[in-house]
Amino acid sequence: QSVLTQPPSVSAAPGQKVTISCSGNTSNIGSGYVSWYQQLPGTAPKLLIYDNNKRPSGIPDRFSGSKSGTSATLGITGLQTGDEADYYCGTWDRSLTAGRVFGGGTKLTVL
Amino acid sequence: QVQLQESDPGLVRPSETLSLTCSVSGDSINNYYWSWIRQPPGKGLEWIGYIHYSGSTNYNPSLKSRVTMSVDKSKNHFSLNLSSVTAADTAVYYCARAGWAGYDYYFDFWGQGTLVTVSS
Repeated sequence: QSVLTQPPSVSAAPGQKVTISCSGNTSNIGSGYVSWYQQLPGTAPKLLIYDNNKRPSGIPDRFSGSKSGTSATLGITGLQTGDEADYYCGTWDRSLTAGRVFGGGTKLTVL
Repeated sequence: QVQLQESDPGLVRPSETLSLTCSVSGDSINNYYWSWIRQPPGKGLEWIGYIHYSGSTNYNPSLKSRVTMSVDKSKNHFSLNLSSVTAADTAVYYCARAGWAGYDYYFDFWGQGTLVTVSS
């Protein structure tokens, strides 16, 4: 059971937009910053978003991040078949079992 | 470009110690935190811990009693020891750099990962 909750799967057609949610509480998302990672099949995760809404160099602006209260959202527009991957959110948890935590991951299928 | 490469221990026997090294190239290990993250087959990511180039550490509370991390600045690498392993420790182990832009840490560079299997 992950500390951060993500939907197991989402799907959309090429060219469409999709959002992936990440739900936490006041000990993690509500008091911190969220990063997002893309994991293509058989590869290491890749940083997509950091500090809630910033994109590293080389990440297209089709990817966006936002945070409101104890939830965060990853948005992907202009979906491409190459976007099919697992997506993970992550943050720092300040509870008694403090540490870096991730969501359980969301499998994106581009139909 | 920063590159990270995990060593490849392959098979580890139950109750023994898993040892991994992450070699860093393209950047100095100084001035950053470095991390180990693992992913059991077909499952999500689990953070194992951080180590700073100074040697200070921060471990996942659920693994803390079995984890030791160290850094070797002369070799520009850092290491993970996980003791008393069981089949539940079978996973792909990644090393990663913890970037910082003023608000929180995030993992901006990752190794390719190495599958460690615990089995007799």
